[in-house]
Amino acid sequence: SQQGEEDPQALSIQEGENATMNCSYKTSINNLQWYRQNSGRGLVHLILIRSNEREKHSGRLRVTLDTSKKSSSLLITASRAADTASYFCATSQGGSEKLVFGKGTKLTVNP
Amino acid sequence: NAGVMQNPRHLVRRRGQEARLRCSPMKGHSHVYWYRQLPEEGLKFMVYLQKENIIDESGMPKERFSAEFPKEGPSILRIQQVVRGDSAAYFCASSPLQGSTEAFFGQGTRLTVV
Repeated sequence: SQQGEEDPQALSIQEGENATMNCSYKTSINNLQWYRQNSGRGLVHLILIRSNEREKHSGRLRVTLDTSKKSSSLLITASRAADTASYFCATSQGGSEKLVFGKGTKLTVNP
Repeated sequence: NAGVMQNPRHLVRRRGQEARLRCSPMKGHSHVYWYRQLPEEGLKFMVYLQKENIIDESGMPKERFSAEFPKEGPSILRIQQVVRGDSAAYFCASSPLQGSTEAFFGQGTRLTVV
């Protein structure tokens, strides 16, 4: 079955730097979503990009989608210590309601 | 409008006992999804329910696991005769409409089997 794969698995940066995380998937999708999970907590929805969209912005977040390469990237600009969390991409495909998650990227922003 | 509420937040069970996890969706949401997360892993889909109906249970283990979403009350994920491998975080998500792709997640129930 199709699965999103994020890379890198872990990323450590300094406050103020930009963080880029990538996600690859295997089959055609309806849309791709990015979620954040703080340690031991639930998931917070960040942004959804549909299969016919190429780029989307929300505050300090920028998401791109390249369906020809079956990949997406999440850019967090001017990172803050509070951005420290795990970031997951999730895809939905066909008529299915379920989301397929990758294993996540663990981001650490050092103050 | 309260978010998705899951309880308990933490649950400890001995091997062989039953675990019951509850999920109250957001007000007005009639679609509920259950996911399981093992340590250092992403979430894995288990089951999708609407009121009184199981729509997709392709991610549910064939034995010991069951789920329901009655007309009244929360959705329940039941695990019978728990084993150590069932230890995980179980997340519930809800959405208002079929085909609505943004799902709102609860804080999860962390099940530990000792």
